[in-house]
Amino acid sequence: AQSVTQLGSHVSVSEGALVLLRCNYSSSVPPYLFWYVQYPNQGLQLLLKYTTGATLVKGINGFEAEFKKSETSFHLTKPSAHMSDAAEYFCAVSDDNTDKLIFGTGTRLQVFP
Amino acid sequence: EPEVTQTPSHQVTQMGQEVILRCVPISNHLYFYWYRQILGQKVEFLVSFYNNEISEKSEIFDDQFSVERPDGSNFTLKIRSTKLEDSAMYFCASNPGRSSGANVLTFGAGSRLTVL
Repeated sequence: AQSVTQLGSHVSVSEGALVLLRCNYSSSVPPYLFWYVQYPNQGLQLLLKYTTGATLVKGINGFEAEFKKSETSFHLTKPSAHMSDAAEYFCAVSDDNTDKLIFGTGTRLQVFP
Repeated sequence: EPEVTQTPSHQVTQMGQEVILRCVPISNHLYFYWYRQILGQKVEFLVSFYNNEISEKSEIFDDQFSVERPDGSNFTLKIRSTKLEDSAMYFCASNPGRSSGANVLTFGAGSRLTVL
């Protein structure tokens, strides 16, 4: 069975600092990996996805994530945080055998001036 | 940009009442989903729907839940007799198909259900 673990339910950074949100997955088959962002009172918006090919994936708003098979990780990073990045971030996994997403518990990012 | 639309944005109901949550998926999408998020918890898969039938459902999706696509555009989730533990944010999502080899779901803004 697939599962996703997001370490740290809350992450706080200063504006301009590096953002690192951790995600580890468990999957018995090659996974598809996603990061979604949820701004207050809004739905889930796709930030980026990994399917096949290049393991470093670039998404919207300056975010990127790297698929590391040996570490079963797909951590999300951004070199310099903006106040507007404050939101909840969800890592998710699926695979070619199912059309459902399995989500992690989410990480709330706070950005301080 | 096309979006998934959900109504109502917030519904308050009494325990035991029936609730229908409505969704208008993106028009050329073929796969439809409902997820829910209990406050403070993870987003959980409820059901997927394709070609006018349920393709997969979770253990949460018991006999109290049903889905249908009554008119080719709306996609509804019905809870027959609500319980307190049904209080959650319910997200609808749609997906154009699997030609890309991966499912990129577009989510709606959610319908918050409060059961009293």
